[in-house]
Parts: sequence; structure tokens; C-alpha cells
Amino acid sequence: DGGITQSPKYLFRKEGQNVTLSCEQNLNHDAMYWYRQDPGQGLRLIYYSQIVNDFQKGDIAEGYSVSREKKESFPLTVTSAQKNPTAFYLCASSLTGTGGVQAEAFFGQGTRLTVV
Amino acid sequence: AQKVTQAQTEISVVEKEDVTLDCVYETRDTTYYLFWYKQPPSGELVFLIRRNSFDEQNEISGRYSWNFQKSTSSFNFTITASQVVDSAVYFCALSEPSGYALNFGKGTSLLVTP
Repeated sequence: DGGITQSPKYLFRKEGQNVTLSCEQNLNHDAMYWYRQDPGQGLRLIYYSQIVNDFQKGDIAEGYSVSREKKESFPLTVTSAQKNPTAFYLCASSLTGTGGVQAEAFFGQGTRLTVV
Repeated sequence: AQKVTQAQTEISVVEKEDVTLDCVYETRDTTYYLFWYKQPPSGELVFLIRRNSFDEQNEISGRYSWNFQKSTSSFNFTITASQVVDSAVYFCALSEPSGYALNFGKGTSLLVTP
């Protein structure tokens, strides 16, 4: 079945470590996104990519990095510069807007990151 | 700048009650899109509906209905005869037609009890 796969589901990070969250999609979508969700805060955009080898910062990109070497994959690295990384991370993908139509985004099941 | 407000943080209803989730948005764009997503306890966001700014017709899908009113910048979501399986966090979101990402409200947590 087509969809978005995020791994791992749970991740524990020690202070000062970098960790990478995986996101893979087989929907043939050009656009991919990373959101962070904190309790009571809704979803905030970290990074997005509308095409391979190109990505843009979202609202809270500091302390995060991404790459988009393949259409199917958009991994997110949470670096040691991110001071408060404990959160739920959601990856999404969509068709890019064409003809003025904004397509809906499809989401993975998320990765819960905890700093220990 | 775009903004989405979901003033109801938590709602609790008894099964079979009707419930309306409010969504108010702000945008300077004349063309925009509004969405509702459901987030069950499993965490994955599930797409429910998309509405563009030129289509103010209300939509009904089974027990779900949506009321879009540009005059009040609102896009409210009603669940009729709620069920326990409707318990989830519901998000309203807004976007421009440029392919940029969605701007989400903070969500409304709905609890439906038997």
C-alpha cells in the first residue's frame, strides 16, 4: 500500500547527541515536510522540500537539518544545537500545488523523541 | 501572515450528542485553502476535508459536516451523533495555493464518552 513510513516510532537521545529521523514515502509526491508537535501547540513547520536537492526552512528550523537526495526520502537530523528536542515529529508529503490548487498532505505515524 | 485559531482546547460530550468544533482564520490572500485533519491516539494525522476560498458551499459526509463562511472567516466542523471512535484531536489548517506547507491551529481535543 502507498503511504509514508517514519522510523523509529520512539527514539531516545542523550544530551549533546545528534539523531536522525527517517521518513520514506511511496506516493510519488514531490513535496515533503517535517513538523514538530508539542502538547497544546499544534504543529509547527521545521523544514519542507518541494523538489529533490532543494529544501527550505520553516518556522522553527534552528537546531535541525535535512537532506533530499531522493524523491522518496526526507530524513531529519536533530542536532545538539536544538536545546529542547523532546517532542513528537511528523513527516508529511503532498503533490505540489499546480494550477493554483493546494493538495492535501498525507502524514506518517510520527516519531516520539525524548532526551534522556 | 496567516493564522488559524481553534479556541476550544478540549471538548467532552456523551455519545450520540452533536458537537461543533470551531475554526477561525486570518489571511490577506484572496485565494486560500482550508483543511480539517483528525489525529487519533495513534498519532497519524488523517485528512478529512479541503475547501478552497471560492467554494462556500457546505459539505456533508456521513455524520460529518462543514460550514464555511467567508464573512466571518470561519470553517466550523460538526459531528452529528458522535461516537466513541470520534475521540481524537482535530486540527484546522490554512494554506496558500503556492505549494507551501499548511499553517495549523493548535487543535481541539474531543472526548466522546459512552
